[in-house]
Amino acid sequence: NFMLTQPHSVSESPGKTITISCTRSSGSIASHYVQWYHQRPGSAPTTVIFENNRRPSGVPDRFSGSIDSSSNSASLTISGLKTEDEADYYCQSYDSNNLYVFGTGTKVTVL
Amino acid sequence: QVQLVESGGGVVQPGRSLRLSCVASGFTFSDSGMHWVRQAPGRGLEWLAVIWYHGNIKYYVDSVKGRFTISRDNSKNTLYLQMNGLRAEDTAVYYCARGQSPSADFDYWGQGTLVSVSS
Repeated sequence: NFMLTQPHSVSESPGKTITISCTRSSGSIASHYVQWYHQRPGSAPTTVIFENNRRPSGVPDRFSGSIDSSSNSASLTISGLKTEDEADYYCQSYDSNNLYVFGTGTKVTVL
Repeated sequence: QVQLVESGGGVVQPGRSLRLSCVASGFTFSDSGMHWVRQAPGRGLEWLAVIWYHGNIKYYVDSVKGRFTISRDNSKNTLYLQMNGLRAEDTAVYYCARGQSPSADFDYWGQGTLVSVSS
């Protein structure tokens, strides 16, 4: 099975832009969709990006997703950072063995 | 509106069994795949198992294969996770989540139920 590796933490000031990477260990990042979830303490995760770069209704366009085959990674970018964006963020994908994998998770702190 | 409500968590001794339930409402349950995901204290999310539509197709992560069984009763709009041979490392919050197709995101989650394995 593959792994999805994320940076442990990212910190930035309000109004700035951050990018969280999600690197797939084996198999192509482009072979299956990547989803992104955020999770606040004590709450269940919710989707912020699905199918690599699509936003669910209600998620602001400050959130965007992309994939890069050259680095075999996906990225979540949050622009115009707000204190309410403080949360843990997880990428997630799927493989042809019908198994699902979550990334290692990134704690976002808004200073 | 879509709701998923888990129940069945609690404190259990190592080696014992527990069955979790997840009651769904607000959508056509039999049209959706359903997943179990867990999160150990202070740790990340771990996908455990999926069951598709009428229950004849199931997949598991290796760490629970042979010990945990996912099932569903579409007449009751309920998803189950039978957990046998529980270990201390199974201590976690267990979430059920909906996935409408194999490539879809987990678009709705329950609130989670805590399982604590301790002697």
